[in-house]
This record gives sequence, structure tokens and C-alpha cells, in this order.
Amino acid sequence: QKEVEQDPGPLSVPEGAIVSLNCTYSNSAFQYFMWYRQYSRKGPELLMYTYSSGNKEDGRFTAQVDKSSKYISLFIRDSQPSDSATYLCAMRRPNDYKLSFGAGTTVTVRA
Amino acid sequence: SQTIHQWPATLVQPVGSPLSLECTVEGTSNPNLYWYRQAAGRGLQLLFYSVGIGQISSEVPQNLSASRPQDRQFILSSKKLLLSDSGFYLCAWSGETGYPNQPQHFGDGTRLSIL
Repeated sequence: QKEVEQDPGPLSVPEGAIVSLNCTYSNSAFQYFMWYRQYSRKGPELLMYTYSSGNKEDGRFTAQVDKSSKYISLFIRDSQPSDSATYLCAMRRPNDYKLSFGAGTTVTVRA
Repeated sequence: SQTIHQWPATLVQPVGSPLSLECTVEGTSNPNLYWYRQAAGRGLQLLFYSVGIGQISSEVPQNLSASRPQDRQFILSSKKLLLSDSGFYLCAWSGETGYPNQPQHFGDGTRLSIL
């Protein structure tokens, strides 16, 4: 079993729809949770960085962490064609330099 | 603001040849530095990280090595490349040394193809 599971998709939605992405994990020691966006042939770009459980909102993006279920989510409201990318979840234990990544979900927003 | 540079963007090398990929960070001091490899359809795999000049930690036994000759410079090397070394290599930084819980920021990577 992988430490972090993420559905690779692909996920295709019409412009303006809500995009819902999620990851599950098995290591209860994870405390820091991240979402990265990666465009084709580019490096990952940090979107959201959260600690422990709860919600965090930044513009059209909302990250949720449910540690009791070992489940994290990213919601993108009012999606735009420019949101078309691969979205990677990542997480780490406190004071650990190593990040554990999901495989990434490819999202296409249709104009 | 901080920026991270990686070069070259694309590299094609024959099997058995040496490798040197370079990464530099600007706008910060004493960063933590990382080398990752990303295989198609898979998540990123941490190869090396460094918390200071000359301090390298290896996560995965392999055909590669890393060095940090200066505070903001990180180099990935190999003496003899294998076909299995093909992939997308990403450098990342987080600030500052001794603070592992800071988020990591990535460069735009080097796509390495071994023939």
C-alpha cells in the first residue's frame, strides 16, 4: 500500500464548475499538508500549505484536512481553463525534511 | 523575492556518460536544498537534501550523488549514467537551515533522457 493515494484522473470539467480533488494517507504522523499545481514541463508550484486539521481558504482555493479519516481535499471554485494542470498532494511529519507525494491528478477545464 | 534556477532544461545523454545538473537559489540565505526525481505518472521521490554547505543526506541508494559547494548552490552528479536514470529532476528549496517545517518551493526541472 502506498503511503499517499491520489486518483490520477483524468478529470474534465466545464469552465465555472467546482473542481474537487482528494488524497488519502496511511501514516497518522503526518501533520503538514500541501497542494501543488504543476503545469506541463514545469516544476510544481505551491498552492496551499496547512498544518493539522481544518480548512484554509485562499481566493478560489479551499483546502480541507480531516485527520480522523486521513483524508485531505482541495476545492477550486469558478474553475478557469488556466487551472488545467496536474495537482499533487504532499504531506510530512513534523521536523522531517522528506515530503510524501501523491501521484497527481490531471485536471482539464473546458472553455 | 526568492528565485530558483535549474539548468539545463533538457538534456540527452548516452548510457555510461557523466552527469552534472546545477541548481542555484537567489534572495535567501541558509536555505535547505533538495533534489527530487519525478517519473511519469508517479509522485516525486526525494533523492537528496542538504541543510548546509557540505552536508548531504541521501534518501535513496542509487547511481547519483549530490554536492553543495556554496550556500545557495546544489549539484546533482553521476559518474556513469544508466538507462534507469531517465526522468524529470527537480530542485527545491525551503528556508532556513534548521527549520524543516517550512514549505518547499520548486524549480522548473531538467528533463533527462538516456539513450
